[in-house]
Amino acid sequence: SQQGEEDPQALSIQEGENATMNCSYKTSINNLQWYRQNSGRGLVHLILIRSNEREKHSGRLRVTLDTSKKSSSLLITASRAADTASYFCATNTGANSKLTFGKGITLSVRP
Amino acid sequence: NAGVMQNPRHLVRRRGQEARLRCSPMKGHSHVYWYRQLPEEGLKFMVYLQKENIIDESGMPKERFSAEFPKEGPSILRIQQVVRGDSAAYFCASTPRQGLLQPQHFGDGTRLSIL
Repeated sequence: SQQGEEDPQALSIQEGENATMNCSYKTSINNLQWYRQNSGRGLVHLILIRSNEREKHSGRLRVTLDTSKKSSSLLITASRAADTASYFCATNTGANSKLTFGKGITLSVRP
Repeated sequence: NAGVMQNPRHLVRRRGQEARLRCSPMKGHSHVYWYRQLPEEGLKFMVYLQKENIIDESGMPKERFSAEFPKEGPSILRIQQVVRGDSAAYFCASTPRQGLLQPQHFGDGTRLSIL
């Protein structure tokens, strides 16, 4: 079953705008991670937030976690054309290191 | 290039043949994970290996699929008697050790096409 579900499925914005992507999950987690995937490439780790954390920042990225709602959001501020990619949330339940991914969000940033 | 290396990048097989996908983890990494990605889908966990040990194979189909990570050499994902439904991108990731807070480092994948 799909642990992570992102929304929207696709997002198109103008360069300079902020992009907000959401992820919901079903079971208890140890941590939640966001990854980016450029077309034809592997995934690149962006940020990890632990289950006891509520917010985390890394450069232009801000991630929040609400364990009571089983949801997370990723905010990319001042978007650039180079941010165009697919974004995935992935959860780790703590049993071991394996990750469960959502279907992803396709972000297009128009120059 | 010190990243995760997967080869081949593209692999074409006819139904019934065998497919062997290779993954060399990042230098110093001893934990390897295999995932499968269908078009327009997220990655699905297949198997987690440490050198010479399978830690978790809960995502592996019961038949035709096997994985190994020998003491020397790359990790191998082997698919016997391939069928059309095996067409997908297969990604390998690695971490230096067991640890729930370890970000995974991914290769660029092997795109398997079954004719």
